[in-house]
Amino acid sequence: AAGVIQSPRHLIKEKRETATLKCYPIPRHDTVYWYQQGPGQDPQFLISFYEKMQSDKGSIPDRFSAQQFSDYHSELNMSSLELGDSALYFCASSLRTGSPQETQYFGPGTRLLVL
Amino acid sequence: DQQVKQNSPSLSVQEGRISILNCDYTNSMFDYFLWYKKYPAEGPTFLISISSIKDKNEDGRFTVFLNKSAKHLSLHIVPSQPGDSAVYFCAASARRIQGAQKLVFGQGTRLTINP
Repeated sequence: AAGVIQSPRHLIKEKRETATLKCYPIPRHDTVYWYQQGPGQDPQFLISFYEKMQSDKGSIPDRFSAQQFSDYHSELNMSSLELGDSALYFCASSLRTGSPQETQYFGPGTRLLVL
Repeated sequence: DQQVKQNSPSLSVQEGRISILNCDYTNSMFDYFLWYKKYPAEGPTFLISISSIKDKNEDGRFTVFLNKSAKHLSLHIVPSQPGDSAVYFCAASARRIQGAQKLVFGQGTRLTINP
């Protein structure tokens, strides 16, 4: 079965540079979530989109922005990168069913290293 | 404020025995709970979930128990196999009238199955 695709898998940037992470959800899934996992930490929710509209916002810095496109893929744009942005960035997707039993399926993640 | 807690950072179990991973939560609004398994350099893989209207859900070797009064859930794996060695994350979500349901994760428990 098709899974969530993320690109790139690895990214090395320098401080103050910009990075763009891409996420392609499972076909027919309409909701996308972004999570950040720092070293030795649990994944933290950043932002989510449902039907191309921002749905919820977590602990996402103002330097970051994201959007969901008409084909449901999503991009996370990160500007003025800081050393502390080095982390694993996961995208997850789900299909909105209206019930509380909405399972999120995760991509393999993008490992960002800021030097 | 850690709303979902996994108090055991690691657990070591003999192959063939039962593995029990525990998770506690503080937010009474959580109504859906999930367990994810994560290997290094990969995204979390969905294992099993349980709705707050149930107290048990079983899928093959995996069973999740929910004790709402104690705000506690546990994942039982029996029999444990070497391939089960991974980090296990407990996650919870609360139903929203609008918007996607972000997941709140525990810190993870590293399970090691010894041959």
